[in-house]
Amino acid sequence: QSALTQPASVSGSPGQSITISCIGTSSDVGSYNLVSWYQQHPGKAPKLMIYEVSERPSGVSDRFSGSKSGNTASLTISGLQAEDEADYYCCSYAGSSTSVVFGGGTKLTVL
Amino acid sequence: EVQLLESGGGLVQPGGSLRISCAASGFTFSSYAMSWVRQAPGKGLEWVSGIGRSGVNTYYAGSVKGRFTVSRDNSKNTLYLQMNSLSAEDTAAYYCAKGRDSESSGSYGMDVWGHGTTVTVSS
Repeated sequence: QSALTQPASVSGSPGQSITISCIGTSSDVGSYNLVSWYQQHPGKAPKLMIYEVSERPSGVSDRFSGSKSGNTASLTISGLQAEDEADYYCCSYAGSSTSVVFGGGTKLTVL
Repeated sequence: EVQLLESGGGLVQPGGSLRISCAASGFTFSSYAMSWVRQAPGKGLEWVSGIGRSGVNTYYAGSVKGRFTVSRDNSKNTLYLQMNSLSAEDTAAYYCAKGRDSESSGSYGMDVWGHGTTVTVSS
């Protein structure tokens, strides 16, 4: 069982927007603005899409955005494209004893 | 080009040991924290260990604490993970990842990843 809870799957049509939730606790997501999101295509290495809740690395499309409210972080992808179909993982700092925890991952299907 | 290249994976018997490596290029390796993240077949990502830029600060997941040791040789631009007392639950692809900062466990984001090296623990 993962420390952070994500839906197993989400889907959307091209052009639509989707949001992936990441539910943590007051010991991780709720206490630190250190949530990141990773995209992973099959057979490939993960790619950083969002860091520190809502910051985008250089080169990542502005269709990707992140937010946080309480113990729940969210990744929103607007203007869905076929290339967005992938697995998405949230990640949070969880304090000095636990360090870093991942969510179980969400498979995004672009219909 | 910024690049991480893992090596050293393979088949090891339960209870055995293995050391995997990650060679970095294209950036100032000694300025950044590094992490190991693993992924069991068909499963999600699991953070394993992190190390600060100087190697003084190290961090471990509870599942590997006391069995795995992370280290780095900044003169060789190389990150290591020594894995002891291996069990089937350690079977996974092991990725090394560059932190965006100098001392954290990857919590500020891991912005460069290697292609992974596969460790299989089986008799």
